[in-house]
Amino acid sequence: KNEVEQSPQNLTAQEGEFITINCSYSVGISALHWLQQHPGGGIVSLFMLSSGKKKHGRLIATINIQEKHSSLHITASHPRDSAVYICAVSPGNQFYFGTGTSLTVIP
Amino acid sequence: KAGVTQTPRYLIKTRGQQVTLSCSPISGHRSVSWYQQTPGQGLQFLFEYFSETQRNKGNFPGRFSGRQFSNSRSEMNVSTLELGDSALYLCASSSRISRHEQFFGPGTRLTVL
Repeated sequence: KNEVEQSPQNLTAQEGEFITINCSYSVGISALHWLQQHPGGGIVSLFMLSSGKKKHGRLIATINIQEKHSSLHITASHPRDSAVYICAVSPGNQFYFGTGTSLTVIP
Repeated sequence: KAGVTQTPRYLIKTRGQQVTLSCSPISGHRSVSWYQQTPGQGLQFLFEYFSETQRNKGNFPGRFSGRQFSNSRSEMNVSTLELGDSALYLCASSSRISRHEQFFGPGTRLTVL
């Protein structure tokens, strides 16, 4: 049983395309996190959300608490956005991770 | 401000040995969480320490243990290593309890032969 489901698992896009990655979860949460992991392993926290929408540069994250769903959008994608994007939820005392979405942006 | 540091970055051990990994959090951060990442299982939560106390623990056997010192530095120990313990071990620090924004270290890649 996976508490967090992400889709798609793999995504290839042309530079400039609008990208959406989805995350659904089955537990009650206090926060949802979007993480980015580049080859080599380093993880960067992109967003932490408990409601609504957040924007940082070309990245937008939204969450619908009632539907237990979050989306990560990348506008005007660029090859440097190529990475694995991981959704994680925190019911307060634990972290549950999605399996990640591997994004490749082709020039 | 220096980021989260982990030592060593790479480690090779044999089955049955034990290993200790170290994590130094960002200055002022009191929460340190540990995670295991494998190709098969993805990222999994190991445990979290806050002010020298283990607050939360994931679903791992007792061979996995940790501690946190008064300066917030943390160590995790894996005893009686198994081949399946080969993984990237990541730690992350947070200024408060783990549900707040986490800052990840570069990880320690452990290979068990």
